[in-house]
Amino acid sequence: QVHLVESGGGLVKPGGSLRLSCAASGFTLTDSSMNWIRQAPGKGLEWVSYITKSGTTILYADSVKGRFTTSRDSAKNSLYLQMNSLTAEDTAVYYCAREIYYGGHSLSPWNDPWGQGTLVTVSS
Amino acid sequence: EIVVTQSPATLSLSPGERATLSCRASQSISSYLGWYQQKPGQAPRLLIYDASNRATGIPARFSGSGSGTDFTLTISSLEPEDFAVYYCQQRSNWPLTFGGGTKVEIK
Repeated sequence: QVHLVESGGGLVKPGGSLRLSCAASGFTLTDSSMNWIRQAPGKGLEWVSYITKSGTTILYADSVKGRFTTSRDSAKNSLYLQMNSLTAEDTAVYYCAREIYYGGHSLSPWNDPWGQGTLVTVSS
Repeated sequence: EIVVTQSPATLSLSPGERATLSCRASQSISSYLGWYQQKPGQAPRLLIYDASNRATGIPARFSGSGSGTDFTLTISSLEPEDFAVYYCQQRSNWPLTFGGGTKVEIK
């Protein structure tokens, strides 16, 4: 069964750093593209970052570009989000999600499943 | 950036009623649209992909339609477990963008 578990969230001061992890089971990370998506408290969903299954292309939202870095460890089957220079606007639940081509034939890949999320709070 | 707009923000309905949720993209996205359901304290769950196809395990009362810029999610007869927030997401262009959500609440 495909499962994603995020960890590493917590309380951090403005300007601080945090590294989130996303442990995958039931599939191999190198077989799927992945997204990081966040949700500020009481707000909607915001895409943060994307990595292709080959790992050769990584994209970032303008709001985090230059501050966040996505990487992965194939041996640990885990995805990471290194977050630097954090501000209060980065406070959110961070989700990792696998992208899959549904039934092997969908027009594009879709986020399924999502992890349960990890809360990042940036506050002094 | 493609802006995705959902309406209404809140839909107040009773169990058994039909729910119609709208999603509009700022430019044509063909059928590159998905719908997600989110319940309090839970992660979003994929309901519909490619605008009109149900994801695995999604009941037949959920249906999606539309293409281009205008899309609809219909729940034919609301069950108690369907009261939740629904988001649409476009996968046509980067960055991925989501609508602001429609909350379906019990009237």
